[in-house]
Formats: sequence, structure tokens, C-alpha cells
Amino acid sequence: DTEVTQTPKHLVMGMTNKKSLKCEQHMGHRAMYWYKQKAKKPPELMFVYSYEKLSINESVPSRFSPECPNSSLLNLHLHALQPEDSALYLCASSQHRDILTYEQYFGPGTRLTVT
Amino acid sequence: AQSVTQLGSHVSVSEGALVLLRCNYSSSVPPYLFWYVQYPNQGLQLLLKYTSAATLVKGINGFEAEFKKSETSFHLTKPSAHMSDAAEYFCAVRGPNSGGSNYKLTFGKGTLLTVNP
Repeated sequence: DTEVTQTPKHLVMGMTNKKSLKCEQHMGHRAMYWYKQKAKKPPELMFVYSYEKLSINESVPSRFSPECPNSSLLNLHLHALQPEDSALYLCASSQHRDILTYEQYFGPGTRLTVT
Repeated sequence: AQSVTQLGSHVSVSEGALVLLRCNYSSSVPPYLFWYVQYPNQGLQLLLKYTSAATLVKGINGFEAEFKKSETSFHLTKPSAHMSDAAEYFCAVRGPNSGGSNYKLTFGKGTLLTVNP
């Protein structure tokens, strides 16, 4: 099974709402990633978890809060977002963060619209 | 720091024609290179990767890429385009860099492939 799943597929939220995105993988991967992708642009790295610990935050605003409850799950908690945060949010995983030959497997993404 | 440049933001080919998507890398050490494909409203799927084992790499869906150190290139090719190949293609690089963030996957800006009937 080489699948990364993400829920929900689509999300519309107001600027005062609190919502969460969920990502799951059962490949035994120990590195998990959140990316943000705007239309017609490449993905931009937001957060990296390695062995369930946050190892990098790419200067992401605090209205985005990641959480890694266990080795298979990754959440992204959203609060007080702005319309410019509307994007496709992609989750990815890889066997190990630092072994460069290992590819990242991507989920299908959550299409987020902030109104 | 590692980087990749994709030449041509949009490539259009006829069905059955050769597909050539260009990617040049910038690296002071041998890099690890990847090609991903993204179909509309979907995530990224790995097509192939170069990890120094062989310079000609074969991937899924009939795609292949050749690593050319002298040209710092890793172009993606497919002999005969199919309508289902229409998608966005991203070249990406990982490799040792001075910042210590070896894990980072740096993407090119992407090339949109259109296949005409």
C-alpha cells in the first residue's frame, strides 16, 4: 500500500472558523510533510515531521498549527485564516527525512477556500 | 543551494508525437533528481528518480529521463504522447546544501503538457 490519504477533499471556511485537515499513511514512513500549493505554482513546504517531532517550520504563520499524534497521522489545525490562504494543501510522507534517495509520496490534497 | 529550472511553462504536442520536457539543475555536488506529474485536482505522483545508479532512468507510463552531468540536465521524454499524459509536470531536486536542509525537495516551476488529438 503506497497511499497517502487526506480528508476532507474540499473545505470552505470563514475567517473566524476553526477547522482541521487530516493526513494518514500506513507505509511505515517516519517523515511527514505539509505543503501549500497555489494555482499554477509548485508546492511550497510548510512543515516537516520526523519521528513524530516537528523538525522544521518554514516560517509559517501561527494560524496554521501542525500536529503529529502518531507515526501514521498528521493534522493541520486552521484558525483565523485569511482569503489568501485559499490553496491546495498537500500532505506527503517518506521513509526517512534525511536519506536523499527516498521519494516523497503525496496525498490527493485538500482544496481549501477561505471566505 | 540546489535548484532546478524547467524550460517552457507550457508544451503542446500532438497525440503520438515525442514528448520532451526540459529540466536543468544547479548543484555543486551530484544531486538527486525527481520528476513528478500532477493531474488536475490531484496530488503529485512520482514518475521517476535519479539517484546515481544509472544515467538513463525509466519510469512509469512509458516516461524516461537521462541524467547528463556535462549539460546539468535531466530532461523527461516519452516516445509517443497519449491524451492521458496531459498534466502538469514538476522536476525536483534534493541534495546536500550548506543550509543543512538536505531533506528539502526543491521544485521547478512546472511545465503544463497539452496533448492535441
